[in-house]
Amino acid sequence: QKEVEQDPGPLSVPEGAIVSLNCTYSNSAFQYFMWYRQYSRKGPELLMYTYSSGNKEDGRFTAQVDKSSKYISLFIRDSQPSDSATYLCAMSAAQGAQKLVFGQGTRLTINP
Amino acid sequence: NAGVTQTPKFQVLKTGQSMTLQCAQDMNHEYMSWYRQDPGMGLRLIHYSVGAGITDQGEVPNGYNVSRSTTEDFPLRLLSAAPSQTSVYFCASRLDGRGEVEQYFGPGTRLTVT
Repeated sequence: QKEVEQDPGPLSVPEGAIVSLNCTYSNSAFQYFMWYRQYSRKGPELLMYTYSSGNKEDGRFTAQVDKSSKYISLFIRDSQPSDSATYLCAMSAAQGAQKLVFGQGTRLTINP
Repeated sequence: NAGVTQTPKFQVLKTGQSMTLQCAQDMNHEYMSWYRQDPGMGLRLIHYSVGAGITDQGEVPNGYNVSRSTTEDFPLRLLSAAPSQTSVYFCASRLDGRGEVEQYFGPGTRLTVT
């Protein structure tokens, strides 16, 4: 069993929809939870990160962590075609940990 | 700043050949790492370095060597290429090994081994 599981999709939604992307994990030591966005044929870039449980909002994006369920989510409100990308969750046990564990990535397409 | 640069962008190798994937960063980052990305597998850590002269293995180190003689450069060597090493390789860097979260990724090298 992988330490981090993420539905690979693909996920296709109309412009303006609310998108929910999710990851589950098995290692209870994970404390830092990140979401990376990767456009086609590019390297991943950090979208946002949270520490421990709770929510964090940044514009149209909200990251949510439920450590009791070992479940994290990324919500995108008012989705735009420019949000079309692969979204990867990533986790580590400590801030600046040497090893980051990634999910498989979910490919998202926002249709105009 | 150029950020993290990788060369080459594409490479085709025959089984048994060796080659070096180059990675450089101009942000004076201490921490650098190499990942491979395969369909359905996400990003997997190959090797990492917390500073010049210090390297360590990640999740999938077999078949790869690294060295870190300068802060800026972190090359990845394939000793004897195998078809299983067909993948997209990403180099990443971070300010230091402990206090930062964000890693900056290069554009990737697409490697095919026939």
